[in-house]
Amino acid sequence: AQSVTQLGSHVSVSEGALVLLRCNYSSSVPPYLFWYVQYPNQGLQLLLKYTTGATLVKGINGFEAEFKKSETSFHLTKPSAHMSDAAEYFCAVSDLRFGNEKLTFGTGTRLTIIP
Amino acid sequence: AAGVIQSPRHLIKEKRETATLKCYPIPRHDTVYWYQQGPGQDPQFLISFYEKMQSDKGSIPDRFSAQQFSDYHSELNMSSLELGDSALYFCASCLGGEVGQYFGPGTRLTVT
Repeated sequence: AQSVTQLGSHVSVSEGALVLLRCNYSSSVPPYLFWYVQYPNQGLQLLLKYTTGATLVKGINGFEAEFKKSETSFHLTKPSAHMSDAAEYFCAVSDLRFGNEKLTFGTGTRLTIIP
Repeated sequence: AAGVIQSPRHLIKEKRETATLKCYPIPRHDTVYWYQQGPGQDPQFLISFYEKMQSDKGSIPDRFSAQQFSDYHSELNMSSLELGDSALYFCASCLGGEVGQYFGPGTRLTVT
């Protein structure tokens, strides 16, 4: 079974500082990995995804993530935090073998931006 | 660009009542997923459909049923509602063979 673990249910950073949200995965086969963002009372928006190929993936809103197989990690970063980045972030995994398959989510990380 | 549409956005029902949630996928998308997100929790997969056939099933109670219609929209039917069914219900769609699910805004169901 696949799973993802998000370290830190709450992360606070100052505006302009580096954002680092951690995600580790567990999978017996090469996974597809995703980061989604959820603003209050809204749906989930796809930030970026990793399938195969380049391990550094760039997404929307200046976010990027690096797939590190040796560390089974897929951490999300942004060089400079903006107030509008305050939201809940979910890491998710699906099974590569079956293509676009159901997502298994982590427990989420709530990002707070300090002015 | 067109997004996933869910209706209604909010629904209040009493215990033991029934509810029907609707999902209209992005045009051309042939695959629909349903997820349930309880308060302060991560989304949990319920059920999925590909080309109008059930493709996978997760932790969906027997009281719930779903289907995908010829126009690819999907409906989640929930009967004998319980207080614990109060949650956000998300629908996501994608095109078979492509990676990445696109989520709707969700339906907030409150059972009183």
